[in-house]
This record gives sequence, structure tokens and C-alpha cells, in this order.
Amino acid sequence: GAVVSQHPSRVICKSGTSVKIECRSLDFQATTMFWYRQFPKKSLMLMATSNEGSKATYEQGVEKDKFLINHASLTLSTLTVTSAHPEDSSFYICSAFEGRLSSYNEQFFGPGTRLTVL
Amino acid sequence: GQNIDQPTEMTATEGAIVQINCTYQTSGFNGLFWYQQHAGEAPTFLSYNVLDGLEEKGRFSSFLSRSKGYSYLLLKELQMKDSASYLCAPNTGGFKTIFGAGTRLFVKA
Repeated sequence: GAVVSQHPSRVICKSGTSVKIECRSLDFQATTMFWYRQFPKKSLMLMATSNEGSKATYEQGVEKDKFLINHASLTLSTLTVTSAHPEDSSFYICSAFEGRLSSYNEQFFGPGTRLTVL
Repeated sequence: GQNIDQPTEMTATEGAIVQINCTYQTSGFNGLFWYQQHAGEAPTFLSYNVLDGLEEKGRFSSFLSRSKGYSYLLLKELQMKDSASYLCAPNTGGFKTIFGAGTRLFVKA
């Protein structure tokens, strides 16, 4: 149980285009999902907390108009990087919380999406 | 402010024991996670300490001292597959967890 998938796993796009990344909880319902980005050899940085049916809560310094998050159902959250630029190239990871499956409030992570903006 | 310190890299020999230390300063604290992350992959849960003391789980053990803002992860009988990054991650309240930069462990034969 507690499997989280992400799609796509890898994407290369041109500067100025928008990219959508999907995060799905496959065998449980996730009321809360998290989006992180990670630069090489750096820590996971929380971008936003996504709650089903409500607006995402963004961390300080994260542009909400650039990183659009939608949590339309209990099993799907999407992150859209709008007008992507090379500095947006990063590893984006989502995670989900499901209280009945986790003994310690731990998060279940997706496999990540490697975004490269040319 | 939030601050998490752990060594950047460590090297150990197959079959040996290694201890990865972590000190933290956070505005709130519920407990501390350790996650393992292989290169290019998502983190996987290893342990969670709420109370002071040592929690043992197979080859992995984790220790916490809340008063000192200190934790360590102990890996015994090291295997090559243990080569990965180990992330120290305090839970600062609710679902919010912040991650350290990680310690890259290299296990050599």
C-alpha cells in the first residue's frame, strides 16, 4: 500500500513553454499532498502544500502564479510550471500523507520528475 | 529560523558500522525523520523518533536528544546497496517536515 506515482518521470522543454506534472496516490486517498523541488546535492525544498478541494498553501518565496497547483481529487494533484525558464530545471518530487497507512505521519514520496528547460 | 546540519559526505567499508550525525534548530518540533534517497529517486522512510533515546530497527538504529537538538542514524553491517544519501528531517508541526541537505554515504568493498 501507499504507492505514489508521478508523470512524466522526465521532461525536456523549450524556454517559455508550460509543463504539467501529475502526482497520483494509487492505492489510497490523499487529502494532503506536498510538492518539493531538489537541486543536485541539495535538500528537498518544500514548495507548497496541496489540499483536496482548496487552494494550495505556498511556501515563502515560491511564486504561486508560476507554479500552479491543483488538487482536484483525493488521488490527483498537478503542478504546472508556467513559462518555464532554464533556472526552473530541477527534480520535482511530490508526496502524500494518509493517516491510516502511516504510523508516524510519514510522507509517501513519488519517484520524482526531472525537468530540463532548454 | 530553521537550520539542519549534517555531514556532506561519508565513506565506510562494507560490513562496518557508520554513524551519521544531525543537529537541528527549528521553530517547532514534533519528532525527527530519517529518510534514505538513492540518486535520482524519491526518499524512502527509515525511522521516526519522538522521544529521547535509541530506536532500533534491524540494521538501522536512530537516536534522538530533544534537549540537545541532536540525532544520529546508525547503520550496521554495511552493504553496498546502502550507498545513498541520508536525509535528516525534523517535523516542525502538523504535516510539515523540513529536510537537511543530506549525507552522501559511499560504501566501498
